[in-house]
Amino acid sequence: QSALTQPASMSGSPGQSITISCTGTSSDIGDYNFVSWYQQHPGKAPKLMIYEVSHRPSGVSNRFSGSKSGNTASLTISGLQAEDEADYYCSSYTRSNTLCLFGTGTKVTVL
Amino acid sequence: QLQLQESGPGLVKPSETLSLTCTVSGGSITSDDYYWAWIRQPPGKGPEWIGHIFYIGTTYYNPSLTSRLTISVDTSKNQFSLKLSSVTAADTAVYYCAKRRAGFNSWYFDLWGRGTLVSVSS
Repeated sequence: QSALTQPASMSGSPGQSITISCTGTSSDIGDYNFVSWYQQHPGKAPKLMIYEVSHRPSGVSNRFSGSKSGNTASLTISGLQAEDEADYYCSSYTRSNTLCLFGTGTKVTVL
Repeated sequence: QLQLQESGPGLVKPSETLSLTCTVSGGSITSDDYYWAWIRQPPGKGPEWIGHIFYIGTTYYNPSLTSRLTISVDTSKNQFSLKLSSVTAADTAVYYCAKRRAGFNSWYFDLWGRGTLVSVSS
């Protein structure tokens, strides 16, 4: 099964909000609330930002929020800051025998 | 505080076996609460789940890699390992070890190692 689909790039000015989409199918995002989001700065390991669609781990800014509608999950970054410039990946459980899918990734640029 | 650290060769020849070890520090690998995972990320691409293991040896593998993959655990050393045989250039990637909570409802990775780049080249 192929990866979840994300826009390749998005940008915004400091203080603005952006929403990154992650499109899957009824075998993954559509049927399960097991969507997570990761932030990755260049040369660093991914960092968990959102789990189970909309839950934030301890220590993650409340400027990050997650949601889901049908087969598409979304990550919203509010009050964009320079430090938010990074790659973002979604992930989901899938009932296919692949079990776990990641997204194609979105590069966020803060203008 | 739990930490993960990958180790192993950075260069592997085509058709040979890639071997990596992840050392768990700051906690026990025998916890009932966690699975221990391997994830890789080819240059410029998104991550790919390789598989994970529970400390008693129960494994879950990505079916695209199953025929070449072995993940094992050494509780005496607080380590788990990855072996991928018959490698090709397509296996070139940064390999991460990671932790996820045990249980069907916990499909997310909340702790990652720093990653190690493995290149497949003659």
